Amino acid sequence: AQKITQTQPGMFVQEKEAVTLDCTYDTSDQSYGLFWYKQPSSGEMIFLIYQGSYDEQNATEGRYSLNFQKARKSANLVISASQLGDSAMYFCAMRARIQGAQKLVFGQGTRLTINP
Amino acid sequence: DTGVSQNPRHKITKRGQNVTFRCDPISEHNRLYWYRQTLGQGPEFLTYFQNEAQLEKSRLLSDRFSAERPKGSFSTLEIQRTEQGDSAMYLCASSLGREGPINEQFFGPGTRLTVL
Repeated sequence: AQKITQTQPGMFVQEKEAVTLDCTYDTSDQSYGLFWYKQPSSGEMIFLIYQGSYDEQNATEGRYSLNFQKARKSANLVISASQLGDSAMYFCAMRARIQGAQKLVFGQGTRLTINP
Repeated sequence: DTGVSQNPRHKITKRGQNVTFRCDPISEHNRLYWYRQTLGQGPEFLTYFQNEAQLEKSRLLSDRFSAERPKGSFSTLEIQRTEQGDSAMYLCASSLGREGPINEQFFGPGTRLTVL
């Protein structure tokens, strides 16, 4: 079975600072993908970044980067130069990369608040 | 608007009533997913369609729940004899029907159900 653990219920950061959101995972699959989604108060889940288990380099997308440490089974999200609009819930998720596997398994989420 | 849409956005019902939600995926996406999100938790997978075929169902989908995607386009999720424990946000997502490492799921704004 797959499991995602996010141990930070809430994070408070000053605007323009960098922030790291923690995510650890557990799986027996050799091939898998890790995702981060943002959920603002409107409720819609917004895809941010993806890391494949066999990707040699850490993923980056604009101000988002993923600090992937496979041996430690961690996939932390780093947001650089935080903005007020970054305030939201953030979810880490996993999907097995086996034929037919489609479901995402999510963690409990971290509520990020950016202070001006 | 070319994103995933869900109707209604909010539904309040009395215990024991039946409710039906609708999801319209992004037009070229042939995969459609339903998730349930309770307060303070991450989304939990309910079921998944490829075109009109329902290919996977979670144990969370009791016999009071039924989902359909009759023509491979929109989908409906019906809950019969609602219980207070059914109160949650019901999220729909869609993705392209291609195999690939990312194949990210695009989420709708959700339907928030309150059972009194």
